Parts: sequence; C-alpha cells; structure tokens
Amino acid sequence: NAGVTQTPKFQVLKTGQSMTLQCAQDMNHEYMSWYRQDPGMGLRLIHYSVGAGITDQGEVPNGYNVSRSTTEDFPLRLLSAAPSQTSVYFCASSYSYDPRLAGAGGELFFGEGSRLTVL
Amino acid sequence: EDQVTQSPEALRLQEGESSSLNCSYTVSGLRGLFWYRQDPGKGPEFLFTLYSAGEEKEKERLKATLTKKESFLHITAPKPEDSATYLCAVQAGGSSNTGKLIFGQGTTLQVKP
Repeated sequence: NAGVTQTPKFQVLKTGQSMTLQCAQDMNHEYMSWYRQDPGMGLRLIHYSVGAGITDQGEVPNGYNVSRSTTEDFPLRLLSAAPSQTSVYFCASSYSYDPRLAGAGGELFFGEGSRLTVL
Repeated sequence: EDQVTQSPEALRLQEGESSSLNCSYTVSGLRGLFWYRQDPGKGPEFLFTLYSAGEEKEKERLKATLTKKESFLHITAPKPEDSATYLCAVQAGGSSNTGKLIFGQGTTLQVKP
C-alpha cells in the first residue's frame, strides 16, 4: 500500500497564479483533510471531507477550494496564490469520521507534504 | 477558546537520559488527545490516542499519560533515533464539534549519542 500520496513535493508560484495540490489515498478512508504547517503556528486545518461529495471548511479556508468526487482523491486548489500561502501542506486521511465516536478522525495518516513557495 | 500548548519548544538529551514532554490543553469536552511524531521533511506519524484522565499508553521507550488538563510523553532511556518533533493534538467535543484536531506547536527533541 502506498498510503497517502501527495504531489508535487515542491512548487514555486508567482503571486496570482493558480495551482492544484493532489492527494490520493489507497486505504479506502472516508475522512480526508488538508493542513498547512508554518513555523511557530503548528498544523492548521484548511478543509476536510467526511466522504465523497461532502466537504467543509476548517480553521483557515480562505483562498483554497476543495472537492471530493471519489473516495480516493482530495485535491486542494489555490485560486490566486499569495505570499501568505507560502507553507508546507499536508494531506491526511482517517478510516472513519463520526463525531459520536471518541477519537474518530483523530488517528490520521499523513502524506509526506508539499512545500509551496509563492513569490 | 480551545487551545493546546506544548513545552518545552526544544529539548536536548544525552542518550539514556530520560525526560518528559508536556502538552497542556484547554478544550470544551475532550473527545481524545493524540500524540504524533514528525521527522524532518516528513509528515506526522500517529503514536497514541488517550481518551480519559488516568489513561496511559506505551510503545517501546515512549509512554503517554493524561490528566484533565495536560498530557505527558515520557521518554525512557532515549536513543538518537528518537530525535524528532513530537506533536500533541486534541479533539474537542460539544454541540459544534466536527471532530477537528487542534494541534500544539510541537517539541523538537534531539538525543545525542
């Protein structure tokens, strides 16, 4: 099993450009999410999905779009890149998400990250 | 406001020198507390889940404990391969809960031979 695969690993953009970060998992996980990691800020949730066709906003959703057309894929789109979006992005998935179950969605499998620089 | 604070930010140990990492949290109704390990240039790797005060989990040289206000990650006789950043995260409860994780900023551990 490949687990969670993210592409690209590195990307440099100019302000105003758009791009898509790809995320795919082969574990048949229902729950998928995108985080960004910045020095001194910890991991912050951008968007998440509890299943195909269902997405919702996290803590820092502005400037990002997501869609979930299949269980396996959860791409993150930057509509018009800004220097504030320079960060390392992580996709993560979990076997299930049900807020009624303690711990559900907390045992995340992370990809290796995509380092994005916006000039 | 739900919050997670980890201390210290960085910790240097000699091989074999045991110590503890702290994770303090303020959350409305804890559903779970999670520890992750992150190696440089990699994504975080799940270590433990703790659900209620008094619970303990162990894995090799690591032992995680939980109280109503904080969690500790005890490292016994660490080895250089234990060097990494350790992340703590909480999942809040309450009517507005959507299971989101709130992460601390991490503790970077360096173990010297």
